[in-house]
Amino acid sequence: LAKTTQPISMDSYEGQEVNITCSHNNIATNDYITWYQQFPSQGPRFIIQGYKTKVTNEVASLFIPADRKSSTLSLPRVSLSDTAVYYCLVAQNNAGNMLTFGGGTRLMVKP
Amino acid sequence: DGGITQSPKYLFRKEGQNVTLSCEQNLNHDAMYWYRQDPGQGLRLIYYSQIVNDFQKGDIAEGYSVSREKKESFPLTVTSAQKNPTAFYLCASSRSGQGTYEQYFGPGTRLTVT
Repeated sequence: LAKTTQPISMDSYEGQEVNITCSHNNIATNDYITWYQQFPSQGPRFIIQGYKTKVTNEVASLFIPADRKSSTLSLPRVSLSDTAVYYCLVAQNNAGNMLTFGGGTRLMVKP
Repeated sequence: DGGITQSPKYLFRKEGQNVTLSCEQNLNHDAMYWYRQDPGQGLRLIYYSQIVNDFQKGDIAEGYSVSREKKESFPLTVTSAQKNPTAFYLCASSRSGQGTYEQYFGPGTRLTVT
């Protein structure tokens, strides 16, 4: 499974846009990039998944450049409730649906 | 409501005792997973099952055992052989087969062994 590297922590203020970048230099052709969010003492929650270019849903956007060696999760106009750990994962498109969680990025949103 | 449940939320045991953590899902998912999370760390895979009566070891299976007798249930037993069992345990489920499917997580069980 491709290893991912992301910042350990980030700070932001309410109303700002937050961009969290993840590098995955060894991503394979059939791998997808997936992001999960985890609040303290809760299970992670799926945010968004993409293969290339840009994906947008009601909570976030995911930008993936052509070489796919990195990706950026964009959270528009964050609020205090977005304070959480965000995990970038590379998921193989094959049987097993295995996920490998790294340490994640701890986002702190301040008032 | 469809979802995945874990019980109990908090569990306390004495060292040397086996303990079983419950995980139930009504999402009709074939695949189920058990993860362990230590403070400030990411999740590590203990065991996973893609179909009833079949399961495979994950990255840290030593000291743990599972069973998958029903599609809805995937209990995890933490045995006395697990050297450092105190942790936050998370169960998840997903569709199975070819593809990258979202994993749905339960609320977790925090196990403390003294």
